Amino acid sequence: GAVVSQHPSWVICKSGTSVKIECRSLDFQATTMFWYRQFPKQSLMLMATSNEGSKATYEQGVEKDKFLINHASLTLSTLTVTSAHPEDSSFYICSASLRGNYGYTFGSGTRLTVV
Amino acid sequence: GQQLNQSPQSMFIQEGEDVSMNCTSSSIFNTWLWYKQDPGEGPVLLIALYKAGELTSNGRLTAQFGITRKDSFLNISASIPSDVGIYFCAGQTTDSWGKLQFGAGTQVVVTP
Repeated sequence: GAVVSQHPSWVICKSGTSVKIECRSLDFQATTMFWYRQFPKQSLMLMATSNEGSKATYEQGVEKDKFLINHASLTLSTLTVTSAHPEDSSFYICSASLRGNYGYTFGSGTRLTVV
Repeated sequence: GQQLNQSPQSMFIQEGEDVSMNCTSSSIFNTWLWYKQDPGEGPVLLIALYKAGELTSNGRLTAQFGITRKDSFLNISASIPSDVGIYFCAGQTTDSWGKLQFGAGTQVVVTP
């Protein structure tokens, strides 16, 4: 149980375009999802907390207008990187949790390369 | 910012040896988690700890939640080649449910 699916696993886009990444909880309803960013040989850094039916909460230093998060259902959260630039190239990972479950399951990640 | 100190940064060991790594925090955590991450993949949960002093095993893995609630260790016994990867500790404070802080990771390399 507690499977989180992330799609796509990798994407290459041109500078200035937008990219959408999906995070789905397959066998449970995730009231909260989290988006992390990981640079090569570094740890995971929390970008934002996505709550179903409400606005996302962004960590300090994360541009909410660049990283749009939508959590329209209990099983799906999306992260859209708008007007992507090469410095946005990174590994983006989502996690999902159900309150009271204390489970923190991660997706398999999305490698974004902006050229 | 990151408040977890994870050590060692890397370990090169021979197959069959034991591995030990630890994390310390400047904050009190109510949850400690240990993950393994393979290249190009998301982290996979190995062990979750929820009570101070808790000692939990998962096969050859053993982890403990420190009494002070500011530290945790992970041991891997009798290492095998598939133990290669990066191990991360992660913690959650009482006032930030679900928001994990990650250590910098420990790179484990196992040689035959």
